[in-house]
Amino acid sequence: NAGVTQTPKFQVLKTGQSMTLQCAQDMNHEYMSWYRQDPGMGLRLIHYSVGAGITDQGEVPNGYNVSRSTTEDFPLRLLSAAPSQTSVYFCASSYLPGQGDSGANVLTFGAGSRLTVL
Amino acid sequence: RKEVEQDPGPFNVPEGATVAFNCTYSNSASQSFFWYRQDCRKEPKLLMSVYSSGNEDGRFTAQLNRASQYISLLIRDSKLSDSATYLCVVNLNTGGFKTIFGAGTRLFVKA
Repeated sequence: NAGVTQTPKFQVLKTGQSMTLQCAQDMNHEYMSWYRQDPGMGLRLIHYSVGAGITDQGEVPNGYNVSRSTTEDFPLRLLSAAPSQTSVYFCASSYLPGQGDSGANVLTFGAGSRLTVL
Repeated sequence: RKEVEQDPGPFNVPEGATVAFNCTYSNSASQSFFWYRQDCRKEPKLLMSVYSSGNEDGRFTAQLNRASQYISLLIRDSKLSDSATYLCVVNLNTGGFKTIFGAGTRLFVKA
């Protein structure tokens, strides 16, 4: 059972380049989310999804796009990278209330992706 | 105002000390509550869920006060291995489900 798999682990981009951070989970979780973590800022929610075909914005969505075509995958796209997007990105998933067992919607995280934009 | 607020610390305590972390949340419709632990350059991991009746897991005790919208974590007999960042987490289920993190409280336990 792989849990949540994020790729790549490290990436360096130039300003204006585009890229996609991949996230896949094999736990049949309906809820998936992307966070960025900057020093002193904690984890800030970028986008989230409560099921295939459904996505919504978190607190810092600007500059990022997401899609959820399957339950398993939730890629995060940077269309035109900026230095302000230098950060550590975490993907996480969980059951929704009423889904699965009574695991109280505990998030399982990927190992993170460190992105540097020059 | 942030949805989940924590004292960022850092807290510097000697081994064996008792330390308490506090957290407040702004949305009264918040549904479930957790403390996560994050080690340096690692992903967050669940430490414990938090219930209104209070719950204990070994040296760790968590408490929720819904009326005050306040969550606490108490660590007794601190160990060097407790050094980490402790994140207060809230699940909201109004107008859609989402999980919100506090900025975290850094703990250093020294010998």
